[in-house]
Amino acid sequence: AQTVTQSQPEMSVQEAETVTLSCTYDTSESNYYLFWYKQPPSRQMILVIRQEAYKQQNATENRFSVNFQKAAKSFSLKISDSQLGDTAMYFCAFSMEYGNKLVFGAGTILRVKS
Amino acid sequence: GAVVSQHPSRVICKSGTSVKIECRSLDFQATTMFWYRQFPKQSLMLMATSNEGSKATYEQGVEKDKFLINHASLTLSTLTVTSAHPEDSSFYICSARDRGGVLQAFFGQGTRLTVV
Repeated sequence: AQTVTQSQPEMSVQEAETVTLSCTYDTSESNYYLFWYKQPPSRQMILVIRQEAYKQQNATENRFSVNFQKAAKSFSLKISDSQLGDTAMYFCAFSMEYGNKLVFGAGTILRVKS
Repeated sequence: GAVVSQHPSRVICKSGTSVKIECRSLDFQATTMFWYRQFPKQSLMLMATSNEGSKATYEQGVEKDKFLINHASLTLSTLTVTSAHPEDSSFYICSARDRGGVLQAFFGQGTRLTVV
């Protein structure tokens, strides 16, 4: 069974600064998909970024980028130029295919301070 | 992006009663929907996978007789919590898989269930 570990329960960052959230996972599969989801106080799950394991290039979406280290089974999220609206719970998630069931990490609460 | 609507957003029910939660895909067809449960300040745990026209697949430890799932059409799945008790109080979230080209799962806004 796959597991996802987020070792940072809470983090804080100053507005406009950069922050990195950590995620490690365990699987015996060679092809899979990794995601970062954001859950703001509204509790609506929002997809931030996704990465296919077969792609070596790290995914980037505007201010969000990942550092995907397949051999180390590590998938960290970097948020640049942090904004107050980035304050949320962030979940790292694993799936065997797009749109399929997700295995979530415990989450990291990120607080952006002005 | 595609829209998944979950209803109700909040519900309070008395212990021993049943409550139904609906999950609708508004602008796409979803052959598969997923039901998750989230306790306060915790992660989402998959409860079951709902497939249109067939029985749901439940995760280990989830009581299928207590959490009834029906997926009668390509746009609607329902979760019924039967004989609810205070320990069933939680946040329930559905996601729907677009069977079209996108093949991405979209989340509903969730339902906060409080059993008193």
